[in-house]
Amino acid sequence: DQQVKQNSPSLSVQEGRISILNCDYTNSMFDYFLWYKKYPAEGPTFLISISSIKDKNEDGRFTVFLNKSAKHLSLHIVPSQPGDSAVYFCAASVNTGNQFYFGTGTSLTVIP
Amino acid sequence: DGGITQSPKYLFRKEGQNVTLSCEQNLNHDAMYWYRQDPGQGLRLIYYSQIVNDFQKGDIAEGYSVSREKKESFPLTVTSAQKNPTAFYLCASRAGSLLGTQYFGPGTRLTVL
Repeated sequence: DQQVKQNSPSLSVQEGRISILNCDYTNSMFDYFLWYKKYPAEGPTFLISISSIKDKNEDGRFTVFLNKSAKHLSLHIVPSQPGDSAVYFCAASVNTGNQFYFGTGTSLTVIP
Repeated sequence: DGGITQSPKYLFRKEGQNVTLSCEQNLNHDAMYWYRQDPGQGLRLIYYSQIVNDFQKGDIAEGYSVSREKKESFPLTVTSAQKNPTAFYLCASRAGSLLGTQYFGPGTRLTVL
């Protein structure tokens, strides 16, 4: 059973606009969430994370929002750049545990 | 430079042969992980190890085996019992502290002919 879901397999955005990638989870015990960026035939690279004690975390052009009541998180990229084109995975874990659960990924294309 | 290395990048094997994928890290991380990625799917956990000489099965451990004899190394063996071994395999490591992020290696693409 998929505990972390990314329901949009792909997203296209114009350069300079905002990209919003969404992620839903089912396990209310999750308290640590991450976003990774992945290029084909490469390992994912860590982008940004958020703990459940926060509802927002910002790092440059990347902001992650967490809505615990809705069990939903989103990644905002502003402004989007062509180099942002990649597959984005969200992941979640229970802080005291050691296992991370990944979504199926959203392929972002930023059009120049 | 600190990081995680996986070798080789591409690996071809005949059906019925066991194959071992290498993963080495010099980040001094306690925990190490193996995932596989298939087209259109997320990363699925095969095995993980929190400490030397200890490892736990993940969601799809059948047909795989691991060892953790050294902190730096976590090799994965894909056995002939794995029914669909062709996939992209990713190794990751994580510091033992709370809220530690996983860092991934570059991956190994295994193709079984």
